[in-house]
Amino acid sequence: AQSVTQLDSQVPVFEEAPVELRCNYSSSVSVYLFWYVQYPNQGLQLLLKYLSGSTLVKGINGFEAEFNKSQTSFHLRKPSVHISDTAEYFCAVTVTSGTYKYIFGTGTRLKVLA
Amino acid sequence: GAGVSQSPSNKVTEKGKDVELRCDPISGHTALYWYRQSLGQGLEFLIYFQGNSAPDKSGLPSDRFSAERTGGSVSTLTIQRTQQEDSAVYLCASSPSLSNEKLFFGSGTQLSVL
Repeated sequence: AQSVTQLDSQVPVFEEAPVELRCNYSSSVSVYLFWYVQYPNQGLQLLLKYLSGSTLVKGINGFEAEFNKSQTSFHLRKPSVHISDTAEYFCAVTVTSGTYKYIFGTGTRLKVLA
Repeated sequence: GAGVSQSPSNKVTEKGKDVELRCDPISGHTALYWYRQSLGQGLEFLIYFQGNSAPDKSGLPSDRFSAERTGGSVSTLTIQRTQQEDSAVYLCASSPSLSNEKLFFGSGTQLSVL
């Protein structure tokens, strides 16, 4: 069975600083990977996804993530954060065949400080 | 409607009572998912539907939990004999198909069991 680990439950960072939110997955088969964002008092929305091809994936709001198969990681990065990026970020994985369920991590709360 | 609609938005019930949570997916979306979000636990997969069928219900915590979908549209999640540990936000998401499209989430139902 697949699983997702988000090592940091909270990440405080100053505005305009870079940020990296870590995500590691475990799976015995090929996977698809996703990052979702939940802004305060809003529903989850897709930030970006990796299905195949280039391992560097760009998403909305200037975020990007890199799929690293050897390290089983899919870390999310942004070179310069804004106050409006304050939200909870969830990494998710699903396998490429068989069940279509998505397994989510426990989330990382990003707090951008002025 | 424009998005995934869940009702009620809040539900307070007494231990031992049954509750029904409703999800109206985006029109035309054949895939529908239920998740449970508890503080510090991330999103816990419960069940997904393709049309009216549930190929994977492995996440349902116990036989007190059941879900159905009718007409390939509305879904209800029923919890019988509620317990305090059932308190959580129950999220519904829909997708145009199962083939790794993005999930569109509703705002959730906050269930509190007293």
